[in-house]
Amino acid sequence: SQKIEQNSEALNIQEGKTATLTCNYTNYSPAYLQWYRQDPGRGPVFLLLIRENEKEKRKERLKVTFDTTLKQSLFHITASQPADSATYLCASPEDSWGKLQFGAGTQVVVTP
Amino acid sequence: SAVISQKPSRDICQRGTSLTIQCQVDSQVTMMFWYRQQPGQSLTLIATANQGSEATYESGFVIDKFPISRPNLTFSTLTVSNMSPEDSSIYLCSVSEGVNQPQHFGDGTRLSIL
Repeated sequence: SQKIEQNSEALNIQEGKTATLTCNYTNYSPAYLQWYRQDPGRGPVFLLLIRENEKEKRKERLKVTFDTTLKQSLFHITASQPADSATYLCASPEDSWGKLQFGAGTQVVVTP
Repeated sequence: SAVISQKPSRDICQRGTSLTIQCQVDSQVTMMFWYRQQPGQSLTLIATANQGSEATYESGFVIDKFPISRPNLTFSTLTVSNMSPEDSSIYLCSVSEGVNQPQHFGDGTRLSIL
């Protein structure tokens, strides 16, 4: 099955800077990848979906890229704010119905 | 997007007992999923629960331990049976509004077994 790898070390970043998170997949190239945000004590919240034929997707200050050659997706938070502090999860479909395999997530801490 | 309510939000239980977690959705959805999340770790899928069919369990999870009901398109329950301390975890339900659509999650049930 697919293995999703995310940097387990927390990313500490200063307000206003760009945070860049990495998601690597190990086996087959998925049809798409999804990114979620999870705050402590809450369930994950869907942010963005990028398909394998899309190089880049944007939503407000968020940008996601998908590089099938590198087997990697990058997640960028531009002009980061303390409210962006959370854990960000990458997920890949496991079957044709949309069952997901989640990475362990990367915690982002934005300091003023 | 769908709004999911889970009950209870947390519970402390004695070993050997069972607890049923409820998941209520504010709209009709086809696909419902149950996950477990250990503190600081990612989500592990327990089973997929589609209305009108038996739940499909992932490797390492069995129906006798985690029976699931899905009586209609807006409701599901997960029971954690004969609990042991190893079952202490956060249990989350999620729904998907269609094939390969994003999932929407409840806020989870934080379960501690003494």
